Amino acid sequence: GPKVLQIPSHQIIDMGQMVTLNCDPVSNHLYFYWYKQILGQQMEFLVNFYNGKVMEKSKLFKDQFSVERPDGSYFTLKIQPTALEDSAVYFCASSPHAGNTLYFGEGSRLIVV
Amino acid sequence: QQQVRQSSQSLTVWEGETAILNCSYENSAFDYFPWYQQFPGEGPALLIAIRSVSDKKEDGRFTIFFNKREKNLSLHIKDSQPGDSATYFCAASGGSWQLIFGSGTQLTV
Repeated sequence: GPKVLQIPSHQIIDMGQMVTLNCDPVSNHLYFYWYKQILGQQMEFLVNFYNGKVMEKSKLFKDQFSVERPDGSYFTLKIQPTALEDSAVYFCASSPHAGNTLYFGEGSRLIVV
Repeated sequence: QQQVRQSSQSLTVWEGETAILNCSYENSAFDYFPWYQQFPGEGPALLIAIRSVSDKKEDGRFTIFFNKREKNLSLHIKDSQPGDSATYFCAASGGSWQLIFGSGTQLTV
């Protein structure tokens, strides 16, 4: 099936540093998402992105978070500065249309120490 | 307040039995209900989905039963196999960009 690729698969970072999580969505998809999952539990919506803009974000999407997809390259989630509570697995997803099936990557495990 | 609720955190069934996973929701505007299956270390993958205009959706061993009036739905896995052992997430969306997930049910066969 369609594949969403995420880089890196895991990263350990010192608190206060910046991290960028990269996502290569399915090629013809137009809608992109980031979700946060702690300890295999609930998938929590962070943000979605369409046509170069954030369409909707949750209260978990703090001011330290930003997303972009410059010139059709990776869809990125940047956290600057990182905090201990940012430790989680971050899943990128994409879909061809709004409200359609989301295809998830395998996640980027972030550990902030 | 959880908008999508899965009543059981975990469920264990014997091989060959039917596993029943329950889900309920709050928002009447939700009209699309996918179930995602997640294995450890992997991302969630769509298993089966239903729209609110239907009350049943079947795909092989997997069936969703949907009750719009009661705002609940269930996923039935017939003839459960050890390979079905995973975490199952009920999700919902409607009128918004968000797909909202329940907290998941960990199934062990």
